[in-house]
Amino acid sequence: SAVISQKPSRDICQRGTSLTIQCQVDSQVTMMFWYRQQPGQSLTLIATANQGSEATYESGFVIDKFPISRPNLTFSTLTVSNMSPEDSSIYLCSAREVSNSPLHFGNGTRLTVT
Amino acid sequence: AQSVSQHNHHVILSEAASLELGCNYSYGGTVNLFWYVQYPGQHLQLLLKYFSGDPLVKGIKGFEAEFIKSKFSFNLRKPSVQWSDTAEYFCAVTPLNDYKLSFGAGTTVTVRA
Repeated sequence: SAVISQKPSRDICQRGTSLTIQCQVDSQVTMMFWYRQQPGQSLTLIATANQGSEATYESGFVIDKFPISRPNLTFSTLTVSNMSPEDSSIYLCSAREVSNSPLHFGNGTRLTVT
Repeated sequence: AQSVSQHNHHVILSEAASLELGCNYSYGGTVNLFWYVQYPGQHLQLLLKYFSGDPLVKGIKGFEAEFIKSKFSFNLRKPSVQWSDTAEYFCAVTPLNDYKLSFGAGTTVTVRA
């Protein structure tokens, strides 16, 4: 199964700044996703990272706030822009090798915004 | 959109006790079902999955889950837990041929030695 590496693993950021999270998969995968896990809540899908084109965002998430890149089949970035304390959360990268195969997850990035 | 309900927020039990975690989903069509586990400080890992066939599926570490279509349920079980089973458990559902996974809120399981 795919091994997913995320960095940074954690960060403390000031309000108004931006943070880019990197996600590297050790094999080519068809689909990559970004999830958010807020304190005490379940995982919420932010967007699907599409290779070579704009990401597909879920309701409540917009490109200006969470720009995503996916330049190839093994790498993606998520930027959390103009951060506020409400953005404090764990951000998770995930990937799926083929359609209907299980999702694999990275270790997540624990973001605290002060 | 489908939703996933996990009945217990936090379960505390002793070693060797039996564990059952409830999961119900709301979706009328064919689904794929998953249980993920997150051990302290580690990433989410797949525990088991159901795509089709025998509704009783066995996963890693002695876990099993039973899909009951009429009840829209996919409960997770383990006959005898160990201290190392302390973790957070997430049920997840996706409609057949869809790529979007919907997760339950998670159940924290604490096993006391």
